[in-house]
Amino acid sequence: AQSVTQPDIHITVSEGASLELRCNYSYGATPYLFWYVQSPGQGLQLLLKYFSGDTLVQGIKGFEAEFKRSQSSFNLRKPSVHWSDAAEYFCAVGSYNNNDMRFGAGTRLTVKP
Amino acid sequence: DTGVSQDPRHKITKRGQNVTFRCDPISEHNRLYWYRQTLGQGPEFLTYFQNEAQLEKSRLLSDRFSAERPKGSFSTLEIQRTEQGDSAMYLCASSPPGTASGNTIYFGEGSWLTVV
Repeated sequence: AQSVTQPDIHITVSEGASLELRCNYSYGATPYLFWYVQSPGQGLQLLLKYFSGDTLVQGIKGFEAEFKRSQSSFNLRKPSVHWSDAAEYFCAVGSYNNNDMRFGAGTRLTVKP
Repeated sequence: DTGVSQDPRHKITKRGQNVTFRCDPISEHNRLYWYRQTLGQGPEFLTYFQNEAQLEKSRLLSDRFSAERPKGSFSTLEIQRTEQGDSAMYLCASSPPGTASGNTIYFGEGSWLTVV
């Protein structure tokens, strides 16, 4: 069965600094990979997704992620963080039919002024 | 398109009572999912519908839990004889038919359950 590990529980960055959130997955076949963001008490908003093709994918709000099959990773990046980016970020892996998408435990991002 | 809608957003109930949550998916989305999320954790899959058929259920879905999607549109999740361990956010999500686009799941804002 697929699984996701987000090694960092909590990350603090200064506003304007660059950001990288790590995600490692385990899946036997071609993975479908996602990053979602969740503000406190809210549902999940899709930031970006990878199915196939170009391994560098662009998402909303200036985020991008790179799929590295050799490292089983799908790290999320942003060149310059804004205070409004403070939230919980979840990496997820699914299959072609996504009947059982698995989420990581999340990384909480704090942005310092 | 108003997105995935869930009701109620918050529910406080006494232990032993039954509760029901409703989910209205994005129109024309034939796939509907229920997830549970506890504090500090990612969402955990509970069950999945394709149209009105419940095709998959997680072992997390004990016999006190039942989900329905009678006409292939809205869905309900009922928890009978609630326990304090049921306190969580229950997330509904939907996705459209097809392959590539069908793999993207869109979430509602969740229904918070507190069992006291």
